[in-house]
Amino acid sequence: DSGVTQTPKHLITATGQRVTLRCSPRSGDLSVYWYQQSLDQGLQFLIQYYNGEERAKGNILERFSAQQFPDLHSELNLSSLELGDSALYFCASSVGGGLSELYEQYFGPGTRLTVT
Amino acid sequence: KNQVEQSPQSLIILEGKNCTLQCNYTVSPFSNLRWYKQDTGRGPVSLTIMTFSENTKSNGRYTATLDADTKQSSLHITASQLSDSASYICVVSEDAGNMLTFGGGTRLMVKP
Repeated sequence: DSGVTQTPKHLITATGQRVTLRCSPRSGDLSVYWYQQSLDQGLQFLIQYYNGEERAKGNILERFSAQQFPDLHSELNLSSLELGDSALYFCASSVGGGLSELYEQYFGPGTRLTVT
Repeated sequence: KNQVEQSPQSLIILEGKNCTLQCNYTVSPFSNLRWYKQDTGRGPVSLTIMTFSENTKSNGRYTATLDADTKQSSLHITASQLSDSASYICVVSEDAGNMLTFGGGTRLMVKP
């Protein structure tokens, strides 16, 4: 158990809908990262927050947004869902802030999103 | 375009044998390279993190090497166990600090 929690574990929804995925980092970690893992594209980095502020942005679609709250939990909002958005969404956390720094990232168990 | 290529895509070995997984990258400027182990349906677990100045780093039976000149890394697994069956993913970070590039992974199966 990494100490990172994600809810829900599974989510099934229809095209065009909007969903929110939630992540609670390990105690003491200030950074939260979001990743998408699909069968055809593998793991992709979406976005990182550090202590409430956006720190780095990867391949995140405009239909997707995220935020980190004062209690450091984070939410990933996915809107106007398409079939291709079906994937495993992972959250990770670390103590420090930069992608180029050597902080260990601890991954949560993921949320499996199925768009029908 | 930054790329990370892993080989082989899949590998089957017998329990107790050694194996080596490869990772070649074109990411520049380079900051660090990470190897992760991912069991099916679970989150990745970090094995090693290496900077350009490190040639070798070990974590138990896992040993990663890095050649920053040729932009190649390898992950060597010694005396494989059934629990080593997983996907192994190589991830490279840019020095600008705003992007991670993932390899497609190597799926390893260890058979008794």
